[in-house]
Amino acid sequence: QKEVEQDPGPLSVPEGAIVSLNCTYSNSAFQYFMWYRQYSRKGPELLMYTYSSGNKEDGRFTAQVDKSSKYISLFIRDSQPSDSATYLCAMKRGSGNTPLVFGKGTRLSVIA
Amino acid sequence: GAVVSQHPSRVICKSGTSVKIECRSLDFQATTMFWYRQFPKQSLMLMATSNEGSKATYEQGVEKDKFLINHASLTLSTLTVTSAHPEDSSFYICSARGGASTDTQYFGPGTRLTVL
Repeated sequence: QKEVEQDPGPLSVPEGAIVSLNCTYSNSAFQYFMWYRQYSRKGPELLMYTYSSGNKEDGRFTAQVDKSSKYISLFIRDSQPSDSATYLCAMKRGSGNTPLVFGKGTRLSVIA
Repeated sequence: GAVVSQHPSRVICKSGTSVKIECRSLDFQATTMFWYRQFPKQSLMLMATSNEGSKATYEQGVEKDKFLINHASLTLSTLTVTSAHPEDSSFYICSARGGASTDTQYFGPGTRLTVL
């Protein structure tokens, strides 16, 4: 079993839809959780950063972490064509130089 | 804030030549920089972690003599792919840790390397 599992998609939704992206993980030691957005042939851009369990909201984006279920989610409200990208979840065990472990990424297309 | 640049953005080279890729943190001091490679439709694979002024730590399976990393200052790290071969063709991305939030990594735009 891989440490981080993420459905690669592709996921296609109409403009304005609510998008739900998810990752599961097996290592209960993960404490820090991140979501990155990556456009084609570009580097990942940090969207959300969460420590431990709970919810975090930033504009149209909401990140949720459920450590008891080892499950994290990213919700995008009122999705736009410009949200079309690959979304990568990432997590790590500790602070400092502890390496990030990435999911494979989910390709999202928002259709106008 | 927290901008990371990479140069060049893409490079094409002949087999057997060496290629240097630069990674710079533009508005913060990066105590640690990371180098990743990414194959098409795959996730990022960590190659090495470098701290300013010390030797890089390579991940298992990554040849340190082939992928030379130098982190000479708090704003610059370089990756040199030595004696490149077609199988080294990939998307190389650096990230830097530092700035206001030292627990997050900020990624550069990536360098696409094609070895003919």
